[in-house]
Order: sequence, then structure tokens, then C-alpha cells
Amino acid sequence: KAGVTQTPRYLIKTRGQQVTLSCSPISGHRSVSWYQQTPGQGLQFLFEYFSETQRNKGNFPGRFSGRQFSNSRSEMNVSTLELGDSALYLCASSLVTLAIGAGELFFGEGSRLTVL
Amino acid sequence: GENVEQHPSTLSVQEGDSAVIKCTYSDSASNYFPWYKQELGKRPQLIIDIRSNVGEKKDQRIAVTLNKTAKHFSLHITETQPEDSAVYFCAAYVTGNQFYFGTGTSLTVIP
Repeated sequence: KAGVTQTPRYLIKTRGQQVTLSCSPISGHRSVSWYQQTPGQGLQFLFEYFSETQRNKGNFPGRFSGRQFSNSRSEMNVSTLELGDSALYLCASSLVTLAIGAGELFFGEGSRLTVL
Repeated sequence: GENVEQHPSTLSVQEGDSAVIKCTYSDSASNYFPWYKQELGKRPQLIIDIRSNVGEKKDQRIAVTLNKTAKHFSLHITETQPEDSAVYFCAAYVTGNQFYFGTGTSLTVIP
């Protein structure tokens, strides 16, 4: 069974630009959640999508948004990039939506974003 | 919301010794506590988890203990090996909410 796939793996942007990251979950998983990983901050929850609906959202500004398609693939978008947005962005898929229960999160390898 | 604190941030042990990482949480509604291991440049992977109705769980050299009264849980690794070197993250989950992760512990096992 293929794992969680994230693209692109690495990208460099400049301040003010916008970026779109993609995540393909494990087949059969309908929940996709996104996390920002920075040194010293651990993993911080951005949002979760299940069946094309955002089920929960973390404490991030509106510049961070996402969506999910009917095949469960998800994208996240960051607009008007700031230097502080430089981070590793991880997505994770799971069988159950976090809105009703918790199980193992299967992470992708992440998209490393550098903002200059 | 929930707040998860993890200590220590770095830990070095001699091969064969034990390692203990501790996490505290603030929301008594948290009911699921997983531990993830992230090797350098790789994705986090679940190594062990515990639910709030259980006090301890073991899997070979790894164990997790949970003290709901004190709101803390710990990861214990015995007979450490160089391949245990990684960053370990604890997390707490509140039903209907999200996972709250600790800030990570970088474990180095010295051969």
C-alpha cells in the first residue's frame, strides 16, 4: 500500500508570494490533517479535512487555507508569504476524522518551504 | 485549549542505558496519547500509544505510562541502541478536537 505522498518536497519563495502544497493520502483514508513543524515548536496543527469538509482548524491566520478533493487528495495554500512561514509542512492521513475519534496518523515526508 | 509540555529537549545516553521522556498536559478531557519517532530527514512514525483507560503499555523495549491524576505521561526506552537516535514527539488528543504535540526530544544514543 502506498504511503502518504507530498509534493513538492522542497521549494523556495520570496515574501509576498503564495504557495500551494499537495498531499495524497493512503488509499481509503478520508481524513487529511496538516501540520507546521519548526525547530523548537514541534508540530502545530493547521487544519483537518474529511470528506471534502474542513472539520477543525488550528490557531493560524487566514492566510493559511486548504481544501480536499473527492479523491481525498488535499492541498494547502499560504498567501502573502512571510519569513516566519519557513517551515516543514507535514500532512497526515488517517481512517477516522479527528472530529469523532483518534487513531494512528500516517505522515508524509513533508514539504520544506523556505521564504526569502 | 490543550497545552503539552515535553522534557527534556535533548537527551544523550550510552548504548544499553535507559531513556525516559516526560510530557505533561493541561486538559483533563484528553484521552489518547501517542508517541511519534522522527529520524533525521524522515517522516514521524507512531511507535506506541496509550488511551486514558490504561495506565501502562509495553512493546518490547518501549513502554508508556500514564498518570491521569497528575496529567503526565512518559516514554521509557530500555537497552537503547544507536538506531533509537531520533526526535521523539508526544501528543495529546481531545475528542472532537485535534492533536496537540510536544516540542520534541532529540535523543542521541552514544555507541
